[in-house]
Amino acid sequence: AQKVTQAQTEISVVEKEDVTLDCVYETRDTTYYLFWYKQPPSGELVFLIRRNSFDEQNEISGRYSWNFQKSTSSFNFTITASQVVDSAVYFCALSDDDSGGYQKVTFGTGTKLQVIP
Amino acid sequence: DSGVTQTPKHLITATGQRVTLRCSPRSGDLSVYWYQQSLDQGLQFLIQYYNGEERAKGNILERFSAQQFPDLHSELNLSSLELGDSALYFCASSVAGGRTTGELFFGEGSRLTVL
Repeated sequence: AQKVTQAQTEISVVEKEDVTLDCVYETRDTTYYLFWYKQPPSGELVFLIRRNSFDEQNEISGRYSWNFQKSTSSFNFTITASQVVDSAVYFCALSDDDSGGYQKVTFGTGTKLQVIP
Repeated sequence: DSGVTQTPKHLITATGQRVTLRCSPRSGDLSVYWYQQSLDQGLQFLIQYYNGEERAKGNILERFSAQQFPDLHSELNLSSLELGDSALYFCASSVAGGRTTGELFFGEGSRLTVL
């Protein structure tokens, strides 16, 4: 069964600190995709990144970076030099095939990040 | 702008009533997903459609139903509403249906308040 665990419910950091959001997943599939979404206080869900199971290269996009490690089934997200605008709930998600061969997406419970000025 | 359109954005109604939430997916996307997010809660998967057919069911109550029409738009019907149904309801679409390549693109959500 698919499962995504975000053990950190809430994190508070002071502006300019680095912060890492953890995500651990479970799947039986060898082909799967992992995502991160951001939900700011306004409520919309914003897609941040997609990573497939065959690409373990870390990715950096500005102040954001993602560390994908299949050996530990983790897909962690780091924000460098955090800013107040980073305050949001961040969701990790796993996409793999259900028993019928169709896409199934499972979300973690989210981590609420508060960046204090 | 994700390209996914949800209406209405806000809805206030009374207990016992019935409402319909509408979703238009991104152009070309065949899969539609519905999620419920109650206050300070995560995303609860309700139901998924692919090209008009129901593909998966999550924690969807029997009072709720959905369908996807030939033009691929989808409607979520909520009936006999209770106070606990107050939530943000998201629709998402994905190009994928048969392969796991598609990230979900979310609409802005429909905020339902049941009084």
